[in-house]
Amino acid sequence: DGGITQSPKYLFRKEGQNVTLSCEQNLNHDAMYWYRQDPGQGLRLIYYSQIVNDFQKGDIAEGYSVSREKKESFPLTVTSAQKNPTAFYLCATQADRNTFFGPGTRLTVL
Amino acid sequence: AQSVAQPEDQVNVAEGNPLTVKCTYSVSGNPYLFWYVQYPNRGLQFLLKYITGDNLVKGSYGFEAEFNKSQTSFHLKKPSALVSDSALYFCAVRDFFSGGYNKLIFGAGTRLAVHP
Repeated sequence: DGGITQSPKYLFRKEGQNVTLSCEQNLNHDAMYWYRQDPGQGLRLIYYSQIVNDFQKGDIAEGYSVSREKKESFPLTVTSAQKNPTAFYLCATQADRNTFFGPGTRLTVL
Repeated sequence: AQSVAQPEDQVNVAEGNPLTVKCTYSVSGNPYLFWYVQYPNRGLQFLLKYITGDNLVKGSYGFEAEFNKSQTSFHLKKPSALVSDSALYFCAVRDFFSGGYNKLIFGAGTRLAVHP
């Protein structure tokens, strides 16, 4: 987990609210990713970014948004349009052929 | 399309016995294959990878994996299991696509339970 921090560790949201998950890295890696983990489904890609001010949708981007204003930061916003947001969210960076994961944020919708 | 399959939801093994966690893949071209381990409410930790070269790859914590091109498999193995190996294991393949971006495609995960 070292070098990538995600906050908060646990997050509770009421239906209809937007929430933002933080991801910060000090690895100086250009590429950053957001994955969603659900039981029995592995990890699925939400958004990715190769450079500052550029990002692309992954496989399940609907109901999510991101920004990449700084190399170190790649926050993910879970909007009210995401119908089933309860999941474990993992931020990752990539350099060369290796992917590094943060400790994750567990989001629960009440 | 690239895909990864982990056919077993759970593997049970007694401490001290050898363990195998299975993974098969489907890719176009040469595969980049990975194994990760996840402990409860934690991120994924890298165990090992196959890019090219020797088909037997050695990784962290005594784990190894054998790349078998003819069977399109990349099974994770350890000669002697420890209770502390109990965790969720993910196999993944790198999916290369346009623009220089690339992502990991994950299997559904296999829960390993090592019993004393």
